[in-house]
Amino acid sequence: GAVVSQHPSRVICKSGTSVKIECRSLDFQATTMFWYRQFPKQSLMLMATSNEGSKATYEQGVEKDKFLINHASLTLSTLTVTSAHPEDSSFYICSARGSVTGESQFFGPGTRLTVL
Amino acid sequence: QKEVEQDPGPLSVPEGAIVSLNCTYSNSAFQYFMWYRQYSRKGPELLMYTYSSGNKEDGRFTAQVDKSSKYISLFIRDSQPSDSATYLCACRRNSGNTPLVFGKGTRLSVIA
Repeated sequence: GAVVSQHPSRVICKSGTSVKIECRSLDFQATTMFWYRQFPKQSLMLMATSNEGSKATYEQGVEKDKFLINHASLTLSTLTVTSAHPEDSSFYICSARGSVTGESQFFGPGTRLTVL
Repeated sequence: QKEVEQDPGPLSVPEGAIVSLNCTYSNSAFQYFMWYRQYSRKGPELLMYTYSSGNKEDGRFTAQVDKSSKYISLFIRDSQPSDSATYLCACRRNSGNTPLVFGKGTRLSVIA
């Protein structure tokens, strides 16, 4: 149980385009979802926390107009990287928590974004 | 001082060795402690979850939390090459939807 999926697993795009990443909880209702960014050989950097039906709470230094997060249902959250630039290239990972997961968070497999 | 400190390694051990991974934390409000394993280019996988102080065992893995010294450990017995990964400790306060605070992760290599 507690499976989280992400799509796509890998995306390559041109500079200036927007990219949408989907995060789904497959077998539980995720009341809270988290979006992380990870650079090579670095730890996870929390970008934002989103509760279903509410606006996301962004961490300091994360541009909310650049990284649009939508958590419209209990099983789906999306992260849209708008007007992507090469410095946005990174590994983006979502995580979800719900009543059945208790205090634990379960992570998706990640999405590798490369902006040319 | 970071809230959760973890030696990034790398740590290299022979197959069959007992591995000890550790983290320290500074926030006494942390109540929940977790260990995640992350293989290269994959998302973290929850290994162990502990509430407050104490030990928890699951197969070859043992997690220990000592809140008095703000020290958490993960022990891996009879280590296998398939255990080679990055291990991340994470802590959380007992407060609603507060996010996990992660350590930097320790890279472990188990050599056959």
